[in-house]
Amino acid sequence: SAVISQKPSRDICQRGTSLTIQCQVDSQVTMMFWYRQQPGQSLTLIATANQGSEATYESGFVIDKFPISRPNLTFSTLTVSNMSPEDSSIYLCSVGTGIPNEQFFGPGTRLTVL
Amino acid sequence: AQSVTQLGSHVSVSEGALVLLRCNYSSSVPPYLFWYVQYPNQGLQLLLKYTSAATLVKGINGFEAEFKKSETSFHLTKPSAHMSDAAEYFCAVSGGKLIFGQGTELSVKP
Repeated sequence: SAVISQKPSRDICQRGTSLTIQCQVDSQVTMMFWYRQQPGQSLTLIATANQGSEATYESGFVIDKFPISRPNLTFSTLTVSNMSPEDSSIYLCSVGTGIPNEQFFGPGTRLTVL
Repeated sequence: AQSVTQLGSHVSVSEGALVLLRCNYSSSVPPYLFWYVQYPNQGLQLLLKYTSAATLVKGINGFEAEFKKSETSFHLTKPSAHMSDAAEYFCAVSGGKLIFGQGTELSVKP
């Protein structure tokens, strides 16, 4: 299985600032995804990170708030912009394995916004 | 549209007892079903998956799940709980993207 790393592992940020989260995979993958897990909640898909084109966002998530880059097949970033305390969550990236809809997840980035 | 319902947000068992975590799904197409585990302060780890082959699926760490189409269920079981099984467990269904249940927190008492 792919080895996925995320940076930073956790951060505490002030409201109104932005944080960029990095996701690195040890092999080339076609599909990369970003999820949010709010405290005590399940996972919600933010967007699919497409290599060479704009990310595909789910309902309720917009590019201005969560810009995503995917410069190559092993790397992606998610930026949480103009943060508020409601953005305090775990942000996870995942990759598709080739088996339909099977995904492996990174360790997550734990974000606290004060 | 697909959806998943996990019955019981919290399950507590004694060490050595049977673990049963319930998951019911709704899908308009033959589903792919997954169980993931999230240990404290970690990401999600794939436990097992159903992809329309065998209805009884064996996963890692002694867990297994049985796909029952008539009951639209995919319950997760383990014959004997271990302290290290304490974690959050998520059932997920896919039909284009992964849809997660709300999760079940498993506690194991010594």
